[in-house]
Amino acid sequence: EPEVTQTPSHQVTQMGQEVILRCVPISNHLYFYWYRQILGQKVEFLVSFYNNEISEKSEIFDDQFSVERPDGSNFTLKIRSTKLEDSAMYFCASSVEDKVTEAFFGQGTRLTVV
Amino acid sequence: GIQVEQSPPDLILQEGANSTLRCNFSDSVNNLQWFHQNPWGQLINLFYIPSGTKQNGRLSATTVATERYSLLYISSSQTTDSGVYFCAVLSGGTSYGKLTFGQGTILTVHP
Repeated sequence: EPEVTQTPSHQVTQMGQEVILRCVPISNHLYFYWYRQILGQKVEFLVSFYNNEISEKSEIFDDQFSVERPDGSNFTLKIRSTKLEDSAMYFCASSVEDKVTEAFFGQGTRLTVV
Repeated sequence: GIQVEQSPPDLILQEGANSTLRCNFSDSVNNLQWFHQNPWGQLINLFYIPSGTKQNGRLSATTVATERYSLLYISSSQTTDSGVYFCAVLSGGTSYGKLTFGQGTILTVHP
């Protein structure tokens, strides 16, 4: 069964460093998303991406965040200068369409900023 | 934006018991999904159910969109069912697939 894959599964980084979280969405999907879950809290939407551009972003997704689809398969989330409060589980998701189809989530990347 | 409330917040069961988890939402939805977050943090898709009833083994779900709620039924619970169950909805007025998650129900199943 096709699945969304994320790498790495766990990343530890020093405050102020740049991190790139990587995702390979399901191959025939056109819409891509990043979500974040701070420990013990609910999952929050960060950004959606379609046709090589951001289609919607939340207030969390400020200038230190960026997304990119560098080739035909990968979808990345970059955090330019990490802060302690960026420590969270980051989920990538993809769907065929944006509204009336199921979104499939990757297994997550646990980011720890020290 | 749309509000999603899940109940109960915590649920403790003995193995073999049945349970019902509820998700209420404040507006019409195009999409509703149930997820199980396992102890490793992974989100497992359980159901895509914007309306109607579906069953998958010991789990089933029903969404009554006109009354703005969904129910997840777990029968004959097992210890491996433990974890957090999330409901997530896509508002009818929202574009670009943004899912809004509830706070989750923490399920603990004891042997």
